[in-house]
Amino acid sequence: EAQVTQNPRYLITVTGKKLTVTCSQNMNHEYMSWYRQDPGLGLRQIYYSMNVEVTDKGDVPEGYKVSRKEKRNFPLILESPSPNQTSLYFCASQGQGRAGELFFGEGSRLTVL
Amino acid sequence: QKEVEQNSGPLSVPEGAIASLNCTYSDRGSQSFFWYRQYSGKSPELIMFIYSNGDKEDGRFTAQLNKASQYVSLLIRDSQPSDSATYLCAVNPIWGQGNLIFGKGTKLSVKP
Repeated sequence: EAQVTQNPRYLITVTGKKLTVTCSQNMNHEYMSWYRQDPGLGLRQIYYSMNVEVTDKGDVPEGYKVSRKEKRNFPLILESPSPNQTSLYFCASQGQGRAGELFFGEGSRLTVL
Repeated sequence: QKEVEQNSGPLSVPEGAIASLNCTYSDRGSQSFFWYRQYSGKSPELIMFIYSNGDKEDGRFTAQLNKASQYVSLLIRDSQPSDSATYLCAVNPIWGQGNLIFGKGTKLSVKP
């Protein structure tokens, strides 16, 4: 089954404790992206990657890091989480040769105390 | 700044009615257009996409695109309570791989 898998799905952590949210896709997509979603603000792009070893900032990259060492994986790293990073996070991937529809993971709800 | 605008709602319709959701976009060169449905706390789910002017139908859903007016709409016929969700409009400025621009969504409520 074609899917984008994120882990963990739910996480409560404390300020300053580094964490990583993993994302993996099995569709051989080159493009992957991270979004956060907050009430009233919609989906906001954090980082995206057009291919292995190619990453770029989205609209709200501050406080986040990413890496793309393999095509299937695109982890999101919060080096020193703060309460304003409490949010619902989505990973997504996009294939070539089509209109560009995004396929989303199930989401990771992060709470930073 | 490329933008996608949607009425936040809530849009309330009775069961069995037609729900009409609208979206405008600022980038006249946009290539493809998407409608996603999102239930509360869940991930966005693609309903359909359109890239040519006119209508595209899929079951109870019809997407309409008017590039001259920079306007996209989604009609849901025979609305059901299970259609109650937030509907996100998204626009791809290029064909293929690219950063989709999302609207903030319209919340639809279908009353039994």
